[in-house]
Parts: sequence; C-alpha cells; structure tokens
Amino acid sequence: GENVEQHPSTLSVQEGDSAVIKCTYSDSASNYFPWYKQELGKGPQLIIDIRSNVGEKKDQRIAVTLNKTAKHFSLHITETQPEDSAVYFCAAFQGGSYIPTFGRGTSLIVHP
Amino acid sequence: GAGVSQSPSNKVTEKGKDVELRCDPISGHTALYWYRQSLGQGLEFLIYFQGNSAPDKSGLPSDRFSAERTGGSVSTLTIQRTQQEDSAVYLCASSITRIYSTDTQYFGPGTRLTVL
Repeated sequence: GENVEQHPSTLSVQEGDSAVIKCTYSDSASNYFPWYKQELGKGPQLIIDIRSNVGEKKDQRIAVTLNKTAKHFSLHITETQPEDSAVYFCAAFQGGSYIPTFGRGTSLIVHP
Repeated sequence: GAGVSQSPSNKVTEKGKDVELRCDPISGHTALYWYRQSLGQGLEFLIYFQGNSAPDKSGLPSDRFSAERTGGSVSTLTIQRTQQEDSAVYLCASSITRIYSTDTQYFGPGTRLTVL
C-alpha cells in the first residue's frame, strides 16, 4: 500500500515569512494529492490540491508543487499570517483508489 | 449550503459500554468516509461507503467496530465494548465521487470520544 511521510512535524515562523511543508509518497501510481488545514476543534478543510498531470498549482498565498520523479510534493505558504497557524495534513490517493493515505501532520505556528 | 454534521460533538463513556456516532453527509454526496484521529496523529481510514455498493471495511481495527449507512445518506459508526485505546476524534467526510475522478472530501467537525 501507499506510505506518506510528512516533514517537519512542527514549524515555527515569524509573521510575513514563508513556510514550506514537504511530503513524500511511495507508490508511483498515486495521482491525486490534497492538502488540508485543521484548526483546533474542527475537521480538516481542503486548502489546495494537485493532480499528477500538473507540476505546480497556486492559489493566492498558497502553492503546491509536485515532483513525480522524486515522488514528493510540497506546500508553500508565503507572507504567513497568525491565522495560518494550524495543523496541515498532506494526503495521497493511489490510482484507481478512493481511499487516501494521510501524512502525520505539521503543526504550523506563526508568531506575530 | 449545509456541510457535514456529526453528533454528538463529545462523548464520554465507561470502558465496556457501546457507543454510536452519527454522521449526516452533504446532500447529494454518494461517498462517505469514517476516519479516526488519535492525539497528535494523522487520520486513520476506517470505512468507506459508495452509493449502494458494499462498503470497504478494510480499515476497521477490530470486529468491535461496525458502521452502516441507511438510505444512502446518514451513517452510524458503532463501537461495542469500548476500550481506553478507542479514545480519539472520529471524523466523517463525504464527497461527490465521479466515476473517473477523485473528488474533494468535505469533513465534519468530528466526535471526540473519551473512554474512561
């Protein structure tokens, strides 16, 4: 089955800095990679996703890059704000499967 | 529109008791997932329902766990003879799920289960 590793587990930045979270996956057939943000006491919320036919996707301050050869994908947040503080999860869907494998999460802390 | 709702939001029970957790998916979503999230951990897949097909139960950790989905809508996750290691947040998610595409999963707020 698929194995997803996420790093770092904790990331602390100053407001205005950039934050990068990286995930690696094991199954080269995986083809869909969503990123979720989970605030305290709430369920995860999709913030951006990327499919295997695309190398990069951007939405305002958030971007995701995918390197299929190296089997890793990264979340980039620019101009971080205190409200970006949350736990971020990556996930990978194997081709033909509707069941995702999640990373263990990154706790992002943005200091004002 | 209304999102995924779950009830109760919190449940405290004694070891050995049975519990039922409820999930109301977004109207029209044919796929429904249950996950377990232990403290500081990622999401652990439990079970997946898709339309009228037989559910994928491959993630259920033991036969004490079961789930059903009535009328293709509301789902109930039942844990029998609860153990302390069952303490976690149980999350439900739904998605439209087109045949040739993987669709966005929308999560509910979760039920925090504490087994004393």
